[in-house]
Amino acid sequence: KAGVTQTPRYLIKTRGQQVTLSCSPISGHRSVSWYQQTPGQGLQFLFEYFSETQRNKGNFPGRFSGRQFSNSRSEMNVSTLELGDSALYLCASSWPDRVNGYTFGSGTRLTVV
Amino acid sequence: AQSVTQLDSQVPVFEEAPVELRCNYSSSVSVYLFWYVQYPNQGLQLLLKYLSGSTLVESINGFEAEFNKSQTSFHLRKPSVHISDTAEYFCAVSWSSGTYKYIFGTGTRLKVLA
Repeated sequence: KAGVTQTPRYLIKTRGQQVTLSCSPISGHRSVSWYQQTPGQGLQFLFEYFSETQRNKGNFPGRFSGRQFSNSRSEMNVSTLELGDSALYLCASSWPDRVNGYTFGSGTRLTVV
Repeated sequence: AQSVTQLDSQVPVFEEAPVELRCNYSSSVSVYLFWYVQYPNQGLQLLLKYLSGSTLVESINGFEAEFNKSQTSFHLRKPSVHISDTAEYFCAVSWSSGTYKYIFGTGTRLKVLA
């Protein structure tokens, strides 16, 4: 079966712009989580969506937002980009339980210049 | 607070030598334990997991991890590493209750030397 698909794979944006990243989960997975990965901070949890509702949110400013559609696809948006937003953004889909682990996408590498 | 600790940020090891990557967590009450591997410019892949039963779990590529309830540890081991094992390894823990579904450690970069 198809894995988790993230688009685009690479993105270069200018400070102050906004960006939207997309994630298509594995078929049947209704839970989608987003993580930011940087060399200095490691993996940081952004938010989790389940059945179009945000179920959990990490400690990120309001510039980071997300949503989930009825087909479980998810998008995350970052407004007013800052240099420090440069990172690998990972999407992970899962069953709603806590025992099956995540399936991750390959990520979107965002560079802010 | 629930937390996961990977004390070693980098572990260099020669090819065919054994390796242990350490993972400790804050509480052993109702936990599920996972190891993920991340190769350069890729997402994380689930390597193995412990849910219940035998405390020793194995992956298809020769890694194994042992759940130690008294020491609240879930260390990852491989008796003989290959160059292709060079990657970053993340330990993750899920508690049956709590705010976050999975909590990740900070990762250990394994570098296998020829």
